[in-house]
Amino acid sequence: GAGVSQSPSNKVTEKGKDVELRCDPISGHTALYWYRQRLGQGLEFLIYFQGNSAPDKSGLPSDRFSAERTGESVSTLTIQRTQQEDSAVYLCASSTRRAYEQYFGPGTRLTVT
Amino acid sequence: GENVEQHPSTLSVQEGDSAVIKCTYSDSASNYFPWYKQELGKRPQLIIDIRSNVGEKKDQRIAVTLNKTAKHFSLHITETQPEDSAVYFCAARSNDYKLSFGAGTTVTVRA
Repeated sequence: GAGVSQSPSNKVTEKGKDVELRCDPISGHTALYWYRQRLGQGLEFLIYFQGNSAPDKSGLPSDRFSAERTGESVSTLTIQRTQQEDSAVYLCASSTRRAYEQYFGPGTRLTVT
Repeated sequence: GENVEQHPSTLSVQEGDSAVIKCTYSDSASNYFPWYKQELGKRPQLIIDIRSNVGEKKDQRIAVTLNKTAKHFSLHITETQPEDSAVYFCAARSNDYKLSFGAGTTVTVRA
């Protein structure tokens, strides 16, 4: 079946602008994660959604970052007033409620100029 | 929270030789340890994982070992091939869902 998809694949934006990144999880996966991967570094947890439970936002680096998910479908990650340090690949992953394995999307490469 | 350290950061091996990557974790409650392979410009993909009730797991040329007492786990790749060249990430799961990742190891297999 279809894997996790993300859009756009690449986004170049000017400093100070807002951006919205989209993630479509695998159908039936109730858990959804957002990660940030800076160049040459590991994956940094941002936020976790599980069904209709309150999300775990503990990894969001500042109040400029927010994310939404409606039910068990699409999620959007919004970064307001982008800064150059926001430049990174933003990865989304999904998993079933009881599974340990997370399936990753291809990522969105964000470049803030 | 959980802290995962990964070594080495880069590893160059001759084709056919073995590669070993080591990770340590801080939270003794961690119970799941996956390894992801990320080829250049591609998404991370799970290659092997181990749960805390198991000490070793093998899948063809790949094996993972876990030492819960010492809080470290390792990835072993035998008979390396050029297609094994990638960045490898270890991770540890300390609660119901959150994975903490190591910084990654860039493996280069020399032909």
